[in-house]
Amino acid sequence: AQTVTQSQPEMSVQEAETVTLSCTYDTSESDYYLFWYKQPPSRQMILVIRQEAYKQQNATENRFSVNFQKAAKSFSLKISDSQLGDAAMYFCAYSYTGTASKLTFGTGTRLQVTL
Amino acid sequence: NAGVTQTPKFQVLKTGQSMTLQCAQDMNHEYMSWYRQDPGMGLRLIHYSVGAGITDQGEVPNGYNVSRSTTEDFPLRLLSAAPSQTSVYFCASSYSESSGRLFFGEGSRLTVL
Repeated sequence: AQTVTQSQPEMSVQEAETVTLSCTYDTSESDYYLFWYKQPPSRQMILVIRQEAYKQQNATENRFSVNFQKAAKSFSLKISDSQLGDAAMYFCAYSYTGTASKLTFGTGTRLQVTL
Repeated sequence: NAGVTQTPKFQVLKTGQSMTLQCAQDMNHEYMSWYRQDPGMGLRLIHYSVGAGITDQGEVPNGYNVSRSTTEDFPLRLLSAAPSQTSVYFCASSYSESSGRLFFGEGSRLTVL
Protein backbone atom coordinates (compact mmCIF):
# COMPACT_ATOMS: atom_id res chain seq x y z
CA ALA A 1 0.00 0.00 0.00
CA GLN A 2 1.09 3.53 -0.67
CA THR A 3 1.97 5.75 2.25
CA VAL A 4 2.62 9.47 2.49
CA THR A 5 4.64 10.88 5.39
CA GLN A 6 4.83 14.49 6.51
CA SER A 7 7.27 14.63 9.40
CA GLN A 8 6.74 18.30 10.30
CA PRO A 9 3.48 18.75 12.25
CA GLU A 10 4.05 22.51 12.47
CA MET A 11 6.22 25.07 10.76
CA SER A 12 6.60 28.81 11.17
CA VAL A 13 7.88 31.44 8.73
CA GLN A 14 8.18 35.19 8.81
CA GLU A 15 6.33 37.22 6.24
CA ALA A 16 8.31 37.65 3.00
CA GLU A 17 10.64 34.76 3.89
CA THR A 18 10.88 31.32 2.28
CA VAL A 19 9.79 28.06 3.86
CA THR A 20 10.03 24.44 2.73
CA LEU A 21 7.56 21.74 3.75
CA SER A 22 8.73 18.14 3.53
CA CYS A 23 6.95 15.06 2.22
CA THR A 24 8.10 11.54 1.55
CA TYR A 25 6.10 8.71 0.05
CA ASP A 26 6.36 5.04 -0.57
CA THR A 27 5.11 3.28 -3.68
CA SER A 28 6.08 0.45 -5.99
CA GLU A 29 4.53 2.20 -8.99
CA SER A 30 6.53 4.18 -11.54
CA ASP A 31 3.66 6.26 -12.87
CA TYR A 32 1.84 8.46 -10.38
CA TYR A 33 0.83 11.96 -9.34
CA LEU A 34 1.87 13.97 -6.32
CA PHE A 35 -0.08 16.89 -4.93
CA TRP A 36 0.06 19.65 -2.37
CA TYR A 37 -3.28 20.82 -0.99
CA LYS A 38 -3.86 23.86 1.20
CA GLN A 39 -6.58 23.89 3.86
CA PRO A 40 -7.17 27.34 5.38
CA PRO A 41 -9.37 27.84 8.47
CA SER A 42 -12.39 27.86 6.16
CA ARG A 43 -11.82 24.09 5.70
CA GLN A 44 -11.90 24.30 1.91
CA MET A 45 -9.34 22.00 0.28
CA ILE A 46 -7.44 23.96 -2.37
CA LEU A 47 -5.06 22.38 -4.86
CA VAL A 48 -1.75 24.22 -4.72
CA ILE A 49 0.38 22.25 -7.12
CA ARG A 50 0.49 18.91 -8.93
CA GLN A 51 3.48 16.93 -10.18
CA GLU A 52 3.41 14.07 -12.66
CA ALA A 53 6.06 11.49 -11.83
CA TYR A 54 7.20 11.00 -15.42
CA LYS A 55 8.09 14.70 -15.72
CA GLN A 56 11.60 15.50 -14.55
CA GLN A 57 10.91 19.22 -14.41
CA ASN A 58 9.70 20.47 -11.05
CA ALA A 59 6.23 22.02 -11.08
CA THR A 60 5.81 25.68 -10.18
CA GLU A 61 2.76 27.88 -9.54
CA ASN A 62 3.69 31.50 -8.89
CA ARG A 63 5.31 31.58 -5.41
CA PHE A 64 4.91 27.84 -4.94
CA SER A 65 7.39 25.31 -6.29
CA VAL A 66 8.29 21.72 -5.59
CA ASN A 67 11.50 19.75 -5.34
CA PHE A 68 10.64 16.32 -6.71
CA GLN A 69 13.27 13.66 -6.11
CA LYS A 70 11.85 10.47 -7.60
CA ALA A 71 14.65 8.13 -6.58
CA ALA A 72 14.52 9.37 -3.01
CA LYS A 73 10.68 9.43 -3.07
CA SER A 74 10.72 12.96 -1.77
CA PHE A 75 8.35 15.79 -2.71
CA SER A 76 8.90 19.06 -0.84
CA LEU A 77 6.98 22.31 -1.26
CA LYS A 78 8.76 25.65 -1.25
CA ILE A 79 6.78 28.80 -0.57
CA SER A 80 8.63 31.98 -1.49
CA ASP A 81 7.82 35.49 -0.28
CA SER A 82 5.43 34.09 2.34
CA GLN A 83 2.23 36.01 2.94
CA LEU A 84 -0.19 36.04 5.86
CA GLY A 85 -2.74 34.34 3.63
CA ASP A 86 -0.44 31.34 3.27
CA ALA A 87 -1.16 30.35 6.88
CA ALA A 88 -2.99 27.01 6.66
CA MET A 89 -2.69 23.25 6.90
CA TYR A 90 -0.79 21.79 3.97
CA PHE A 91 -1.35 18.23 2.88
CA CYS A 92 0.84 16.17 0.61
CA ALA A 93 -1.00 13.52 -1.39
CA TYR A 94 -0.27 10.69 -3.82
CA SER A 95 -2.28 8.87 -6.44
CA TYR A 96 -1.52 6.15 -8.93
CA THR A 97 -1.97 7.31 -12.52
CA GLY A 98 -4.53 4.66 -13.36
CA THR A 99 -6.80 5.70 -10.52
CA ALA A 100 -5.55 9.24 -10.21
CA SER A 101 -8.58 10.55 -8.37
CA LYS A 102 -8.10 8.15 -5.43
CA LEU A 103 -5.75 10.13 -3.24
CA THR A 104 -3.69 8.99 -0.28
CA PHE A 105 -2.98 11.92 2.04
CA GLY A 106 -0.27 12.66 4.54
CA THR A 107 -1.11 13.88 8.03
CA GLY A 108 -0.50 17.53 7.23
CA THR A 109 1.79 20.37 8.26
CA ARG A 110 0.36 23.45 9.94
CA LEU A 111 2.10 26.58 8.65
CA GLN A 112 2.12 29.76 10.71
CA VAL A 113 3.12 33.05 9.11
CA THR A 114 4.35 35.74 11.48
CA LEU A 115 4.93 39.46 10.99
CA ASN B 1 -20.55 27.94 -10.64
CA ALA B 2 -21.68 26.05 -7.54
CA GLY B 3 -19.06 23.26 -7.95
CA VAL B 4 -19.44 20.65 -5.20
CA THR B 5 -22.14 21.36 -2.63
CA GLN B 6 -22.40 19.53 0.69
CA THR B 7 -25.25 19.68 3.17
CA PRO B 8 -25.52 20.02 6.07
CA LYS B 9 -22.35 21.86 7.09
CA PHE B 10 -22.79 20.95 10.75
CA GLN B 11 -24.74 18.16 12.42
CA VAL B 12 -24.97 16.70 15.91
CA LEU B 13 -26.31 13.18 16.31
CA LYS B 14 -26.92 10.79 19.16
CA THR B 15 -25.43 7.32 19.10
CA GLY B 16 -27.61 5.00 17.06
CA GLN B 17 -29.32 7.69 15.00
CA SER B 18 -29.16 7.61 11.22
CA MET B 19 -28.53 10.44 8.82
CA THR B 20 -27.50 11.23 5.27
CA LEU B 21 -24.84 13.66 4.18
CA GLN B 22 -25.76 15.10 0.81
CA CYS B 23 -23.31 15.85 -1.98
CA ALA B 24 -24.15 17.36 -5.35
CA GLN B 25 -21.96 18.58 -8.20
CA ASP B 26 -22.94 20.54 -11.28
CA MET B 27 -19.84 19.92 -13.39
CA ASN B 28 -21.03 16.67 -15.01
CA HIS B 29 -18.19 14.81 -13.33
CA GLU B 30 -18.20 11.03 -13.57
CA TYR B 31 -16.08 10.41 -10.48
CA MET B 32 -17.23 11.26 -6.95
CA SER B 33 -15.85 10.30 -3.58
CA TRP B 34 -16.18 10.76 0.18
CA TYR B 35 -13.30 11.36 2.60
CA ARG B 36 -13.20 11.77 6.33
CA GLN B 37 -10.72 13.99 8.12
CA ASP B 38 -9.67 13.24 11.67
CA PRO B 39 -7.11 15.14 13.76
CA GLY B 40 -3.58 13.94 13.08
CA MET B 41 -4.65 11.49 10.37
CA GLY B 42 -5.15 13.49 7.20
CA LEU B 43 -7.99 12.59 4.84
CA ARG B 44 -9.03 8.98 4.31
CA LEU B 45 -11.15 7.62 1.49
CA ILE B 46 -14.51 6.13 2.56
CA HIS B 47 -16.32 5.29 -0.69
CA TYR B 48 -16.10 6.34 -4.29
CA SER B 49 -18.07 6.09 -7.51
CA VAL B 50 -16.83 6.05 -11.10
CA GLY B 51 -20.26 6.72 -12.55
CA ALA B 52 -24.00 6.42 -12.00
CA GLY B 53 -24.87 3.00 -10.63
CA ILE B 54 -21.26 2.11 -9.74
CA THR B 55 -19.78 2.43 -6.25
CA ASP B 56 -16.86 0.87 -4.44
CA GLN B 57 -15.20 0.89 -1.04
CA GLY B 58 -12.24 2.98 -0.06
CA GLU B 59 -9.91 2.67 2.90
CA VAL B 60 -12.45 3.11 5.74
CA PRO B 61 -15.92 2.02 4.49
CA ASN B 62 -17.33 0.35 7.62
CA GLY B 63 -20.46 2.03 9.01
CA TYR B 64 -21.21 3.94 5.80
CA ASN B 65 -23.39 3.27 2.78
CA VAL B 66 -23.47 5.06 -0.56
CA SER B 67 -25.44 4.95 -3.77
CA ARG B 68 -25.18 6.80 -7.08
CA SER B 69 -28.50 6.98 -8.88
CA THR B 70 -27.60 10.12 -10.84
CA THR B 71 -24.38 11.68 -12.11
CA GLU B 72 -24.93 14.75 -9.96
CA ASP B 73 -25.60 13.24 -6.52
CA PHE B 74 -23.59 11.00 -4.20
CA PRO B 75 -25.12 10.79 -0.71
CA LEU B 76 -23.31 9.22 2.24
CA ARG B 77 -25.50 7.37 4.74
CA LEU B 78 -24.76 6.57 8.36
CA LEU B 79 -27.24 3.86 9.36
CA SER B 80 -26.41 3.77 13.09
CA ALA B 81 -24.07 6.54 14.13
CA ALA B 82 -21.23 5.84 16.54
CA PRO B 83 -18.93 8.28 18.40
CA SER B 84 -16.04 6.99 16.26
CA GLN B 85 -17.75 8.59 13.25
CA THR B 86 -17.29 12.06 14.71
CA SER B 87 -15.28 13.71 11.98
CA VAL B 88 -15.24 16.23 9.17
CA TYR B 89 -16.50 14.75 5.92
CA PHE B 90 -15.50 15.93 2.47
CA CYS B 91 -17.11 15.13 -0.84
CA ALA B 92 -14.97 15.46 -3.95
CA SER B 93 -15.50 15.03 -7.66
CA SER B 94 -13.42 14.85 -10.81
CA TYR B 95 -13.97 14.47 -14.52
CA SER B 96 -12.88 10.84 -14.42
CA GLU B 97 -11.17 8.33 -12.18
CA SER B 98 -7.89 8.91 -14.02
CA SER B 99 -7.98 12.72 -14.13
CA GLY B 100 -6.35 13.39 -10.76
CA ARG B 101 -7.93 16.82 -10.56
CA LEU B 102 -10.29 16.74 -7.58
CA PHE B 103 -12.79 19.44 -6.67
CA PHE B 104 -13.73 19.42 -3.00
CA GLY B 105 -16.84 20.54 -1.20
CA GLU B 106 -16.58 22.73 1.90
CA GLY B 107 -16.90 19.85 4.31
CA SER B 108 -19.49 18.72 6.84
CA ARG B 109 -18.65 18.56 10.53
CA LEU B 110 -20.45 15.68 12.24
CA THR B 111 -20.48 15.13 15.99
CA VAL B 112 -21.89 11.91 17.44
CA LEU B 113 -22.64 12.03 21.15
